[in-house]
Amino acid sequence: QLQLQESGPGLVKPSETLSLTCTVSGGPISSSSYYWGWIRQPPGKGLEWIGSIYYSGSTYYNPSLKSRVTISVDTSKNQFSLKLSSVTAADTAVYYCARQRDVNLDFDYWGQGTLVTVSS
Amino acid sequence: QSALTQPASVSGSPGQSITISCTGTSSDVGGYNYVSWYQQHPGKAPKLMIYEVSNRPSGVSYRFSGSKSGNTASLTISGLQAEDEADYYCSSFTSTSSWVFGGGTKLTVL
Repeated sequence: QLQLQESGPGLVKPSETLSLTCTVSGGPISSSSYYWGWIRQPPGKGLEWIGSIYYSGSTYYNPSLKSRVTISVDTSKNQFSLKLSSVTAADTAVYYCARQRDVNLDFDYWGQGTLVTVSS
Repeated sequence: QSALTQPASVSGSPGQSITISCTGTSSDVGGYNYVSWYQQHPGKAPKLMIYEVSNRPSGVSYRFSGSKSGNTASLTISGLQAEDEADYYCSSFTSTSSWVFGGGTKLTVL
């Protein structure tokens, strides 16, 4: 059974960079046919897609966040990561990592999510 | 990219059927059959309920079904049960090789 687990600081100061890692177990992250994505959900609000990375290394970002986002993969650790720079209070959210099937273009496996608060 | 439009809330009694709409544009919902639906209970991660407009993943109840007409996709839940009470989100692939979610719909089972 595939499992995804987010990890990283729960508190980030304004203007700094938010860094999260998603560890994948139960299957190799380098498998063809999958994207690996990040989605966030501000408290009490809806889901927002942040970006995705394909197994080939190609990246795709939400246009509204593109200038601040970097997603990368570390196949040796079976992990992928998110960096979001110049954060503000508006970036406070639960951050989820998820697997996306490239044939169906959906999000079929999700991590449990991790709350990141931006505050001084 | 703008979020897909969903009603903020819907409700129904046990045993009834409800439908949640998801309206986009020809650049997302109307242009691709890559619409998916997610169920989210409070404090939990979203769960895939429908993919490619109308397909159910293994393990998802037959009571959940999806359809699409033009720029609007729909999720129908028949035979409402108490455990169906949750937030529901639609998502679509877009013409800019990105994904967009709907604003979410809170389903209340009366």
